Amino acid sequence: ETGVTQSPTHLIKTRGQQVTLRCSSQSGHNTVSWYQQALGQGPQFIFQYYREEENGRGNFPPRFSGLQFPNYSSELNVNALELDDSALYLCASSLNRAVNEKLFFGSGTQLSVL
Amino acid sequence: EDQVTQSPEALRLQEGESSSLNCSYTVSGLRGLFWYRQDPGKGPEFLFTLYSAGEEKEKERLKATLTKKESFLHITAPKPEDSATYLCAVQASGGGADGLTFGKGTHLIIQP
Repeated sequence: ETGVTQSPTHLIKTRGQQVTLRCSSQSGHNTVSWYQQALGQGPQFIFQYYREEENGRGNFPPRFSGLQFPNYSSELNVNALELDDSALYLCASSLNRAVNEKLFFGSGTQLSVL
Repeated sequence: EDQVTQSPEALRLQEGESSSLNCSYTVSGLRGLFWYRQDPGKGPEFLFTLYSAGEEKEKERLKATLTKKESFLHITAPKPEDSATYLCAVQASGGGADGLTFGKGTHLIIQP
């Protein structure tokens, strides 16, 4: 059984650019969530996808968008990057979107915006 | 707005020295309270879910408890491999996002 994998592990971009981060869910999991973790902070919920549709969103602007594919892999896209977007981006999958479902996290993508 | 506050921010213990980590929360309605462990350079790893006041769960040297306002993670006779950041999170009831609200974590160091 493979775990949650994210790519790339590290990325450096400049302000105003666009970035795409990728995530492969754990086998059999149909729900994926994305979190942003700034240095010294806890993860902050961005959004959740279930069966290719967004079904929950945190307090992030529309320039943060996502996709989920039929194989349940996922992408996080961020447009018009700002310096404050520098953070660890975590993908988490779960067996289904039921409440209280435990999340399986990947190791994250460390994004630096210069 | 849901809030989670963890204390202390950092804790250094000697191997075998038991202690407790605190998680205070305010939420409109609690669906679940979660504890995760995060090692440097890794994503959080699930430890426990607690659903209602009075509930307790144990795993090896860890025991989590829940009241209506806070949760404690008790660490008994810790070992150096228990060193990590421990994160507390809540999931609120009602409509809207199903995401978790995390605290900033407690950075725990166990010295041999």
